[in-house]
Amino acid sequence: GAVVSQHPSWVICKSGTSVKIECRSLDFQATTMFWYRQFPKQSLMLMATSNEGSKATYEQGVEKDKFLINHASLTLSTLTVTSAHPEDSSFYICSAKRGGFQHFGDGTRLSIL
Amino acid sequence: AQKITQTQPGMFVQEKEAVTLDCTYDTSDPSYGLFWYKQPSSGEMIFLIYQGSYDQQNATEGRYSLNFQKARKSANLVISASQLGDSAMYFCAMRARNRDDKIIFGKGTRLHILP
Repeated sequence: GAVVSQHPSWVICKSGTSVKIECRSLDFQATTMFWYRQFPKQSLMLMATSNEGSKATYEQGVEKDKFLINHASLTLSTLTVTSAHPEDSSFYICSAKRGGFQHFGDGTRLSIL
Repeated sequence: AQKITQTQPGMFVQEKEAVTLDCTYDTSDPSYGLFWYKQPSSGEMIFLIYQGSYDQQNATEGRYSLNFQKARKSANLVISASQLGDSAMYFCAMRARNRDDKIIFGKGTRLHILP
């Protein structure tokens, strides 16, 4: 149980395009999901908390207009990187909260050329 | 402020030996949880073990055990009988219940198991 699916696994795109990443809880409902970013050889850094039916809460220093989060249902949160640039290249990973635990997706490697 | 400290950037251990990965934490919250995750090169976060701040006994999960010393604010992970497949990045993490269950991660320890 507690499976979280993240799609796509890899994405390569040109600078200036927008990229959408999906995070789905497959066998449970998640009112809260989290989005993290991980640069090479670094730790996971929380970007934002995604709450179903309400606005996301962003961590200090994360541009909310750059990283759009939508949590329209109890099983799906999306992260859209708008007008992506090479410095946005990173590993993005989501998690879905169930009880006191977070269940992680497998992550998305984003490369902006 | 909450903080997780992992002081070992990398470790090399001979296969079949036991290994201890260090983790210290800092929090003023009375209720918190401590986690260890394994991240192989493929990137997924694999949950290993959990210790609640009020748990009286150290957590164990198969070959993994957590050496919880509350007074010292330490939560070391012990892997017994290491295997080649244990080579990965290991993260210590902490959750505080009064902070919307957000998790903060340490910087990680890269573990290399030698044949």
